Order: sequence, then C-alpha cells, then structure tokens
Amino acid sequence: KQEVTQIPAALSVPEGENLVLNCSFTDSAIYNLQWFRQDPGKGLTSLLLIQSSQREQTSGRLNASLDKSSGRSTLYIAASQPGDSATYLCAGGGPTGTASKLTFGTGTRLQVTL
Amino acid sequence: DVKVTQSSRYLVKRTGEKVFLECVQDMDHENMFWYRQDPGLGLRLIYFSYDVKMKEKGDIPEGYSVSREKKERFSLILESASTNQTSMYLCASSGWDSYNSPLHFGNGTRLTVT
Repeated sequence: KQEVTQIPAALSVPEGENLVLNCSFTDSAIYNLQWFRQDPGKGLTSLLLIQSSQREQTSGRLNASLDKSSGRSTLYIAASQPGDSATYLCAGGGPTGTASKLTFGTGTRLQVTL
Repeated sequence: DVKVTQSSRYLVKRTGEKVFLECVQDMDHENMFWYRQDPGLGLRLIYFSYDVKMKEKGDIPEGYSVSREKKERFSLILESASTNQTSMYLCASSGWDSYNSPLHFGNGTRLTVT
C-alpha cells in the first residue's frame, strides 16, 4: 500500500527566500505525483502534476521534481511571498480500475513572513 | 476553469440523522471522488466513481454510501450520522486520462454531528 510522507510538518521563512518542500513515497509504481495548495478552511488547488515518465514540471515560480528510484519529489518555490503562505500537499497517483486513486501526504504548512 | 461546487460549506446534524452531501462539476469529468480530511490523518478516500452509476469503495467506506445518477453530480450519503463522522468532506473530479488529469476540488463541507 502506498504511503506518502511530508517533512517538515511546518516551515517558516522570510519573504524572498527560495525554499524546497519534500515529499517521499514508498511505492515507485505511481502514475503521477501531484502537488496541491490548501488555504485555511478551503479545498485544495492543483499546482503541478508530474507524470511517472517525467522528471520535473514548472509553473511560474514553482518547480516540482520526481525521482521514482529514490521515492522522492520536491517542490521548489522561488522568491517566496507572503501570499505563498498555505499548506502544501503532495499525492501519489496509482492505478485502480479506470480511475487514478491518489494517496495524500499530511502536508507542510508554510508561513512566509515579512 | 473547472468548477466543483459543494452545496453546503457548513452543516450541523444530529446523531442518527441521514445526511446528504451534494457535489456538482461543470467540466464533463468522468471521475469523481469523495474524501474526508481530519487533522493528523490527512485526506482519506471514501468512495469514487468513474462513470454514471459506477462506484468503487475507497479506503474508509464504512458508514457511507454514494449515488451518481448523472455525470455531473456525485452525492455522499451518511446513512445514520455518528459523532466520529464529524469532519471536513471534500469532493473532487478529474478527466478520463488518469495519467494527465489533475484533481480539482470543491471548497469542502465542514460537517458537525452532535
């Protein structure tokens, strides 16, 4: 059974700093690895999806990488801003019938301070 | 943009009541999901559906059922609500291509069972 771990559970950085969030998974037979952002009391917003055949994806100041052999993914945020403060979750997608069934980590709560 | 709409943001119900949580998506997505989110436990999959009238159990289906009579609508039913079902419930949808289709979430329904 897939298990997804995110360490640390919380992180505080000053504005402008570049940072890396970590995600590890136990089963390398994943279809994709997705990163989400969740603001307090809200649903999740999809940030990036990396297919199992890819090594990274980029969107603006965000870059996500995937290393299946080591069971790790990272989310790199460049030049962090206070508006980046949120909880970031990663999820590994595995095959179940015709739908992709995601296993989620418990998230890293990021605070970017002025 | 994909829009996933959950009918209620907050619900308070009594133990033993039958509870219906409704979710509608507007992107003609084949796959729809119900998760619950609890502190320290992360998101756990309750049920998912990959087509009209099709459903599969997720990791924690006990005490829940679902209905998908139309492609755009996926309902979660708590047959007899209990206090341990107090949680944040999140609906999500994705397209037919499990490799490439990110998950899109609604804003959640915070259910309290007293």
